[in-house]
Amino acid sequence: SAVISQKPSRDICQRGTSLTIQCQVDSQVTMMFWYRQQPGQSLTLIATANQGSEATYESGFVIDKFPISRPNLTFSTLTVSNMSPEDSSIYLCSAVPRGSNTEAFFGQGTRLTVV
Amino acid sequence: AQSVSQHNHHVILSEAASLELGCNYSYGGTVNLFWYVQYPGQHLQLLLKYFSGDPLVKGIKGFEAEFIKSKFSFNLRKPSVQWSDTAEYFCAVNAPSSASKIIFGSGTRLSIRP
Repeated sequence: SAVISQKPSRDICQRGTSLTIQCQVDSQVTMMFWYRQQPGQSLTLIATANQGSEATYESGFVIDKFPISRPNLTFSTLTVSNMSPEDSSIYLCSAVPRGSNTEAFFGQGTRLTVV
Repeated sequence: AQSVSQHNHHVILSEAASLELGCNYSYGGTVNLFWYVQYPGQHLQLLLKYFSGDPLVKGIKGFEAEFIKSKFSFNLRKPSVQWSDTAEYFCAVNAPSSASKIIFGSGTRLSIRP
């Protein structure tokens, strides 16, 4: 299994600013992902965080808006840039431990409100 | 590309009723299938998973799901629900060829009347 810690757990931000969310896993993992869960909706995959290289973004998400870093096997960051109220959402980090055969674990999420 | 459909947006049941939540996926190759649950105010937890073998899988808290390949379905069942089962349930699929990324269905909100 894997324990995933996200910081901050929640934040209220002014429009036009940026917020960086951190994700720390307690063990080495093969894959890390970032999801968005808008109010009352399901999880939408934003991107796969690749260690040491550029993230792989899903359709509708771009690097300029959601830059992602993954400097090592246990840590990743997601930045939400130039925020607008439409970015208000829960952002979730997910990780697949080595040898787990693709079962994913999730952090508690970061609840972001943009005003 | 993979996709997942959950037929029921909101299900309301009385305690002790039987539950079945529908899930269909779209993908032509080998898939791994999951049901996740999100209790109010909590993070996502894995209920059960299917990778291979017996298509009837049992998970935590008395839940089970049956993989029917010919129907591209992976319905979740529980013979007798409890008030504590009130939660959001997400069906999800992963194609092993897709670098482990998991695609989620739209979710089913389950409300249990005490």
